[in-house]
Amino acid sequence: EAGVTQSPTHLIKTRGQQATLRCSPISGHTSVYWYQQALGLGLQFLLWYDEGEERNRGNFPPRFSGRQFPNYSSELNVNALELEDSALYLCASSEQGALSSYEQYFGPGTRLTVT
Amino acid sequence: AQSVAQPEDQVNVAEGNPLTVKCTYSVSGNPYLFWYVQYPNRGLQFLLKYITGDNLVKGSYGFEAEFNKSQTSFHLKKPSALVSDSALYFCAVRDGNTGGFKTIFGAGTRLFVKA
Repeated sequence: EAGVTQSPTHLIKTRGQQATLRCSPISGHTSVYWYQQALGLGLQFLLWYDEGEERNRGNFPPRFSGRQFPNYSSELNVNALELEDSALYLCASSEQGALSSYEQYFGPGTRLTVT
Repeated sequence: AQSVAQPEDQVNVAEGNPLTVKCTYSVSGNPYLFWYVQYPNRGLQFLLKYITGDNLVKGSYGFEAEFNKSQTSFHLKKPSALVSDSALYFCAVRDGNTGGFKTIFGAGTRLFVKA
């Protein structure tokens, strides 16, 4: 079974540009989560999508946005990039529903560098 | 309020010795507890979970964790550490009685296993 995939692996942008990161969940998983991890530190929760809708949002400015497509893949957009947006962006997926135990399965991440 | 704490930023252990990575939590309902590991420059991998049943749960790579309800702890353990266990470990908790997204990750504990 294929795991969570993310693209691109690396992304280099200049300040003020926009970045688009993509994630494909494990087949059968309807939920997708986005996290930011700076400098190998803790995970900062960004966004949660389930069944095509945004379910929860972390403490990030509106220039961080995204969407989930009918096939449950997801896209994270970061507008007006700032230097401090440089980080590893991790996507995870999980099942939802009464029978789920909700463990999350992570992709390898996209390393975003803003210069 | 729901929270999870990993009191040690770093744990050092010699190869072959037992290791413990500590985690304490706070939830109002029944806890769903998870451990994840992150190897250098890679995404997180799910290690193990406790939902219900036996307080000692076994996971990948020889790791196990003990759920202690009275102490609200879920410490990760391994009888004999390997150099290859050196990584960043995250504990996570979810309130099993609530719907929606409420999985909280700890700040992480960096494990160094010395040969």
